[in-house]
Amino acid sequence: GQNIDQPTEMTATEGAIVQINCTYQTSGFNGLFWYQQHAGEAPTFLSYNVLDGLEEKGRFSSFLSRSKGYSYLLLKELQMKDSASYLCAVRDSNYQLIWGAGTKLIIKP
Amino acid sequence: DGGITQSPKYLFRKEGQNVTLSCEQNLNHDAMYWYRQDPGQGLRLIYYSQIVNDFQKGDIAEGYSVSREKKESFPLTVTSAQKNPTAFYLCASSPRKVDPEAFFGQGTRLTVV
Repeated sequence: GQNIDQPTEMTATEGAIVQINCTYQTSGFNGLFWYQQHAGEAPTFLSYNVLDGLEEKGRFSSFLSRSKGYSYLLLKELQMKDSASYLCAVRDSNYQLIWGAGTKLIIKP
Repeated sequence: DGGITQSPKYLFRKEGQNVTLSCEQNLNHDAMYWYRQDPGQGLRLIYYSQIVNDFQKGDIAEGYSVSREKKESFPLTVTSAQKNPTAFYLCASSPRKVDPEAFFGQGTRLTVV
């Protein structure tokens, strides 16, 4: 079967750095996505990785290793507004998105 | 402003009744999707459509139906055959199925009472 694993919940301190990991096993691979979702709201797109390596976008970076079936989202200089769930999703060989359950990130002052 | 709109935001339904959730986009996207989100689970695909008058079942299509008569609109009907319909429903669109980014509506929280 196909599955995406990510931690259920993480806690970090304002101003610090946090890394959210995602491991996956899917039928084929056509890209990995990270989305941010505040409670009761729609997910918003953060990043897309299709080749190995690091993609940096401001305070957020995303890393991919296809051989290890592994990705992480790195958030720097954490702000209170970063408190949200972070969803990892992989697009399989049929271009369907397989979603992880999300990681709830709690930021403390 | 371009975007994707779902309505209503909250919906209550009595057991045994069908209910239709609206999804409209003015982004000129070809592909549209319906997902269901339950606590502690990832988004699950109900139906998707890549072009007008065509749609395909996702992983959990049983008890749901859709139509795609216009490019802008992709309504979802939750029928009485859906055993556990209480959930958060998300509609999304993308220019094409192969494009990387999907844009989501604000979601509809359906509660069966």
